[in-house]
Amino acid sequence: GNSVTQMEGPVTLSEEAFLTINCTYTATGYPSLFWYVQYPGEGLQLLLKATKADDKGSNKGFEATYRKETTSFHLEKGSVQVSDSAVYFCAHNTGTASKLTFGTGTRLQVTL
Amino acid sequence: GAGVSQSPSNKVTEKGKDVELRCDPISGHTALYWYRQSLGQGLEFLIYFQGNSAPDKSGLPSDRFSAERTGGSVSTLTIQRTQQEDSAVYLCASSFGFQRGTDTQYFGPGTRLTVL
Repeated sequence: GNSVTQMEGPVTLSEEAFLTINCTYTATGYPSLFWYVQYPGEGLQLLLKATKADDKGSNKGFEATYRKETTSFHLEKGSVQVSDSAVYFCAHNTGTASKLTFGTGTRLQVTL
Repeated sequence: GAGVSQSPSNKVTEKGKDVELRCDPISGHTALYWYRQSLGQGLEFLIYFQGNSAPDKSGLPSDRFSAERTGGSVSTLTIQRTQQEDSAVYLCASSFGFQRGTDTQYFGPGTRLTVL
């Protein structure tokens, strides 16, 4: 079936550290892949997306590359800030409805 | 407003009562989705609308849950005879709906439902 697996959190980093949040997926067909972010007290926001193999999505210093051969879409940022503290969700769309299947979310806590 | 709006933002109800949750999508978006976010289950798809039709209701957890959309715009999610396990944040999202493979869904702030 369709699923998304993310690394367990919480992830705690010092400011300016390198971030990787792993995400792998199982899907039929050729899904688009997404990273959504949920800041404390706020709703889900799209962070970045990639719609086909080898595409790289990027936004706010975050990047993720659609790797079809490894069915992965790992999120990276070279230097995190305290303001990046949030919960990050990996997702893909499936079926004719393009409904999203989400991972369980990874909480990131960045400290000074 | 430019974004997806939902009301109420918070709803506390007693077990057994019915509740209605409302979603106003982004103007021009033909596709509308309902999801549920709960501690035990994460983010789950409930139902999808294209226009006023709901071709995918596969995520509705029981027949106590129903939804409708009118005028290709506002949608209402109704939960009858609420149970404590219905407590969650109910999220609405909308998208253009014309490019299903690459469509981006934009989410509202959610309605936090608490069933006592």
